[in-house]
Amino acid sequence: ETGVTQTPRHLVMGMTNKKSLKCEQHLGHNAMYWYKQSAKKPLELMFVYSLEERVENNSVPSRFSPECPNSSHLFLHLHTLQPEDSALYLCASSQDRVGGYEQYFGPGTRLTVT
Amino acid sequence: AQSVTQLGSHVSVSEGALVLLRCNYSSSVPPYLFWYVQYPNQGLQLLLKYTTGATLVKGINGFEAEFKKSETSFHLTKPSAHMSDAAEYFCAVSYRDDKIIFGKGTRLHILP
Repeated sequence: ETGVTQTPRHLVMGMTNKKSLKCEQHLGHNAMYWYKQSAKKPLELMFVYSLEERVENNSVPSRFSPECPNSSHLFLHLHTLQPEDSALYLCASSQDRVGGYEQYFGPGTRLTVT
Repeated sequence: AQSVTQLGSHVSVSEGALVLLRCNYSSSVPPYLFWYVQYPNQGLQLLLKYTTGATLVKGINGFEAEFKKSETSFHLTKPSAHMSDAAEYFCAVSYRDDKIIFGKGTRLHILP
């Protein structure tokens, strides 16, 4: 596999379920990101990891819990979600968090909360 | 704080016509500038980027953008639109000591 992969591609979950989104990058990058993209809102940066350390958390509700066990993998653990959390969740990586490096995106996980 | 503005959330052009998507940034320091494209139910894909050097940057799929420092702009153009260009386009800016910031996106519609 090359680039950034995300699994699952589609997920339907009830409000009381617990699920996890997985992201893997095969690019040797040091920074990884979670974004939320809703139908009528701009791209929202949720979390930023640099060298496996969380460096940014943009006021994301605690029902979203990220985990970065190594520089290639990023997870987003979900629990007790709300219908308004339904969105496309995008993972991205870049060589470094700063310095003009472009981000490479995965295909996203389409999440529907029922 | 750095910001990037895309003028027009929706732009419609006829097939074969010029595509022009506008992007302005606010900063007093040299920026790094990017354009991304997103097709339905896919992630964002880099079209082109400006870091230093030549101000006219060529990207994939026949797109190009010109960095104009005096106008703080980085507009995206393509001489002749194809139906396959219908997508959402994002302008983004970053700086030496800060992360990328994305614009709100412009949805491009191609009219037959």
